Amino acid sequence: DTGVSQNPRHKITKRGQNVTFRCDPISEHNRLYWYRQTLGQGPEFLTYFQNEAQLEKSRLLSDRFSAERPKGSFSTLEIQRTEQGDSAMYLCASSLVGAEFEKLFFGSGTQLSVL
Amino acid sequence: RKEVEQDPGPFNVPEGATVAFNCTYSNSASQSFFWYRQDCRKEPKLLMSVYSSGNEDGRFTAQLNRASQYISLLIRDSKLSDSATYLCVGSGYGNKLVFGAGTILRVKS
Repeated sequence: DTGVSQNPRHKITKRGQNVTFRCDPISEHNRLYWYRQTLGQGPEFLTYFQNEAQLEKSRLLSDRFSAERPKGSFSTLEIQRTEQGDSAMYLCASSLVGAEFEKLFFGSGTQLSVL
Repeated sequence: RKEVEQDPGPFNVPEGATVAFNCTYSNSASQSFFWYRQDCRKEPKLLMSVYSSGNEDGRFTAQLNRASQYISLLIRDSKLSDSATYLCVGSGYGNKLVFGAGTILRVKS
């Protein structure tokens, strides 16, 4: 499978715990995005990387959220001290910048439930 | 003001109908626009890119109006399988891709 892969698919955690999600982009893609989506809303931008550089982080993102993309390959998104409001689908997408149009390809997402 | 705005719908249409969605964007410097389709509890999937000259792919036609800062999606001869949420995407401030909240389409027999 050469698509975007996300793990785990589902995560249930208790409030206050830390969680980490992983995203493996399409191998030749140089840009990687993290989005969050709640029911009835479109994907909300969280942050994105070009290669290993984090280019932008949403102002809506608190300091409890951190993302990394070491070596410009896979990425991790960590949420510390989770809150019930963090419950959402976390989507990762990758793209190839420099092509005619930047097209995003999404993984299946990680559904987070904070109890 | 949100960077990308859409009418949430739902649009309820009979099979065979023609339906159109509009989406407005606030960043006049936006260069890239797309329509994505999202089925319930699935990830968004690219439906089509939106070119300046407009483009067509089978029953789907996308248009870009830079003067009024909106893009549109026209679906002809609607099928039951077209029922989904349609997400408008534009390149936002800082060049990241920004999604609208989505428009729900329900095609009924």
